[in-house]
Amino acid sequence: QTVVTQEPSLTVSPGGTVTLTCASSTGAVTSGYYPTWFQQKPGQAPRALIYSTSNKYSWTPARFSGSLLGGKAALTLSGVQPDDEAEYYCLLYYGGAGVFGGGTKLTVL
Amino acid sequence: EVQLVESGGGLVKPGGSLRLSCAASGFTFSNAWMTWVRQAPGKGLEWVGRIKSKADGGTTDYAAPVKGSFAISRDDSKNTLYLQMNSLKTEDTAVYYCTTTYGSWGQGTLVTVSS
Repeated sequence: QTVVTQEPSLTVSPGGTVTLTCASSTGAVTSGYYPTWFQQKPGQAPRALIYSTSNKYSWTPARFSGSLLGGKAALTLSGVQPDDEAEYYCLLYYGGAGVFGGGTKLTVL
Repeated sequence: EVQLVESGGGLVKPGGSLRLSCAASGFTFSNAWMTWVRQAPGKGLEWVGRIKSKADGGTTDYAAPVKGSFAISRDDSKNTLYLQMNSLKTEDTAVYYCTTTYGSWGQGTLVTVSS
């Protein structure tokens, strides 16, 4: 069974920079896994932020960026704002099927 | 404006069936690959399955836990996505979301499987 692993929790100060990662139990994450990132706040539906590793949606704030880093998919937030406090999920595709990571709870403190 | 509105959730007994619908508007539904995602209470997101556009073959893919018991279909004439869920188990209790490859999500519909 394929497992996608994210940091359970991270804390960042307002204005700071933080990188969330997404690892695959099958080995290095490549662009062929079409890494996708989502943000979810309590009581709300998830919101897509990044698709296919590094592509942004029209609504994605410029401070969010996606990349591949050290064999993992990565989501970097630069100039973090209090409103960025949320759960972040990555999604990887294995052939046709997708697998979500367990999520990273980002605290802005 | 893109809108996805799920419906059909509710309370069902273990072993029962339910069909969810997702009404889409604001984009060319027939061109979109559509996905169902679920979230059990207090838990993370779980990918359920996806259907490609008919132009891309209209094929479906499913997560291992639901393969064989869930079926995704689409009616492009009605701009509607479906999720037929059979042989439901208590662990299928979740909010079910439909999403598009364009990044939009619905607000979800709650399915509770309980005796």
